[in-house]
Amino acid sequence: QVQLVQSGAEVKRPGASVRVSCQTSGYTFTGYSMHWVRQAPGQGLEWMGSIIPNNGATTYAQKFEGRVTMTRDKSIITFYLELNNLRSDDTAMYYCARCDLYSGYGDFDFWGQGTEITVSS
Amino acid sequence: DIQMTQSPSSLSASVGDRVTITCRASQSIMNYVNWYQQIPGKAPNLLIYSASKLQSGVPSRFSGSGSGTDFTLTINSLRPEDFATYFCQQSHSTPYTFGQGTKLAIK
Repeated sequence: QVQLVQSGAEVKRPGASVRVSCQTSGYTFTGYSMHWVRQAPGQGLEWMGSIIPNNGATTYAQKFEGRVTMTRDKSIITFYLELNNLRSDDTAMYYCARCDLYSGYGDFDFWGQGTEITVSS
Repeated sequence: DIQMTQSPSSLSASVGDRVTITCRASQSIMNYVNWYQQIPGKAPNLLIYSASKLQSGVPSRFSGSGSGTDFTLTINSLRPEDFATYFCQQSHSTPYTFGQGTKLAIK
């Protein structure tokens, strides 16, 4: 069965960096792009960007350009989100979510369980 | 960026009721709309994709419609497990954007 298992919660100081992992299993790794979506406490969903596993091509939301890096390690079928220069308003739950590369619908049919990132001095 | 305006932001209903949630896009997005349900403390769960296609395993009391700029999610015969928050999402173009959410509460 499809599983996206994310790394555990982290607490970071302002200005620090964080890396969140999303280990996949149960499906063809190269058949799906991986997207990252975050949700601040009590707020809505915010798309951060995506990565295509085949070639590592990324698309980032302009809001995060320069601060975010999405990568993947095909050998261990794992995706990573790195966010730099953290601010208090980066405190949120971060989700990975997969998207069928070939259907063209752009929906996220499986999500990770979420990783809580808290930025506090 | 395409803005998705979702309404209402909250809604009270009773078990057995029919409810409708709407999303309006700031420009035409054809049928590139998806709907998700989120239970507190859990990740969102896909209900409807491509405006009207029911995701595998999702009960048939959920349905979606619309095209262009106006979309609706309808839930027939509400069950207790349906009281949650619902989000629309446009996948027409990046950055993908979501509606603000509709919290469905028990009356």
